Amino acid sequence: DIQMTQSPSSLSASVGDRVTITCQASQDISNYLNWYQQKPGKAPKLLIYDASNLETGVPSRFSGSGSGTDFTFTISSLQPEDIATYYCQQYDNPPITFGQGTRLEIK
Amino acid sequence: EVQLVESGGGLVKPGGSLRLSCAASGFTFSSYSMNWVRQAPGKGLEWVSSISSSSSYIYYADSVKGRFTISRDNAKNSLYLQMNSLRAEDTAVYYCARGSGGYWGQGTLVTVSS
Repeated sequence: DIQMTQSPSSLSASVGDRVTITCQASQDISNYLNWYQQKPGKAPKLLIYDASNLETGVPSRFSGSGSGTDFTFTISSLQPEDIATYYCQQYDNPPITFGQGTRLEIK
Repeated sequence: EVQLVESGGGLVKPGGSLRLSCAASGFTFSSYSMNWVRQAPGKGLEWVSSISSSSSYIYYADSVKGRFTISRDNAKNSLYLQMNSLRAEDTAVYYCARGSGGYWGQGTLVTVSS
């Protein structure tokens, strides 16, 4: 199975800050990567698919980049409603696998 | 609108069994692989099992292999997870997710406790 290493595991930032999360795959996954946002008690919500494509309705402050094994997720200007846990997930080869998650808090 | 609705969760004793269901609508169910993903309380997302569109390919996480069985009924637009020999560590919210993961259900809670 493909291992996904996500960092950091937690992050504290101020409103308006630029926030970056990274995800590294154990092998080349091309651009077959999703980024999710999960709030307590809710199912994960897809934000970015194919590594860099913004899901319909998702604010443009969210973005993704990368290909191969190294990927980045960015929030350009952190808003209070962005407090959540974020996950990367690969779908190049079954089974799908997830990063460990990044818990984002407001400083 | 794509909808996935899980059901069948509940409280079960260690060693017991449960069958989860996922009812799909709003897309051509028979064209997509499907997945079960779980999340233990306070933990991250853990893939459990996947099944291809025609049931030709089935995969299980090592943690559930030999105890859980995934299946689907394309005529009924439904996905299933038969869970046997349940353990305390199987306690989690179980989600069904479509294909590459773009659509998820709301989850169903499975609690294994005596």
